[in-house]
Amino acid sequence: NAGVTQTPKFRVLKTGQSMTLLCAQDMNHEYMYWYRQDPGMGLRLIHYSVGEGTTAKGEVPDGYNVSRLKKQNFLLGLESAAPSQTSVYFCASSPRDNQPQHFGDGTRLSIL
Amino acid sequence: AQSVTQLDSHVSVSEGTPVLLRCNYSSSYSPSLFWYVQHPNKGLQLLLKYTSAATLVKGINGFEAEFKKSETSFHLTKPSAHMSDAAEYFCVVTPSSGGYNKLIFGAGTRLAVHP
Repeated sequence: NAGVTQTPKFRVLKTGQSMTLLCAQDMNHEYMYWYRQDPGMGLRLIHYSVGEGTTAKGEVPDGYNVSRLKKQNFLLGLESAAPSQTSVYFCASSPRDNQPQHFGDGTRLSIL
Repeated sequence: AQSVTQLDSHVSVSEGTPVLLRCNYSSSYSPSLFWYVQHPNKGLQLLLKYTSAATLVKGINGFEAEFKKSETSFHLTKPSAHMSDAAEYFCVVTPSSGGYNKLIFGAGTRLAVHP
């Protein structure tokens, strides 16, 4: 039972570099989400998607872009990484509205 | 606006003693509330959820929580702590617009369990 899989698990970037985080779910869920987790702040929603081909901004979208070209995948992009984006990133999915979310194990990203 | 406050950033208990993790919320509407647990280097796992049915909610691993509207609280309890309960716990509330697609997280409570 894979559930929600995030790749990579760890990454170190230099300021200004770009990268893409991949989230894949095998549960046929409609909704997918990207969060960042910082010490003492819980999880904050970056972007989310309510279905294939759709995306929407969350609480902290600046500096990130997303795409949902396939239902099972949700990509998070950093075009020009900044030290403030050092964080742990979590992807989640849910079947539809009014259902709890299933989380991946996270991607630990450090930007020097 | 909805918000959630976890009253303790760290809680330490001895194995076999009761656990109490406190959560207060503010909401303009009847909320849906969750508790999630996060073990080190892992994602969040749903412990239990309240969705306006019974006010006492039972979850996995012996945890339960009671919804008290008059106190705007949703505290998490367990009668007897186990070493494997050491983790971070998040209280979560849904936004006033309804639905679960946007969750509001508390800052978390780190639970330590000592032998």
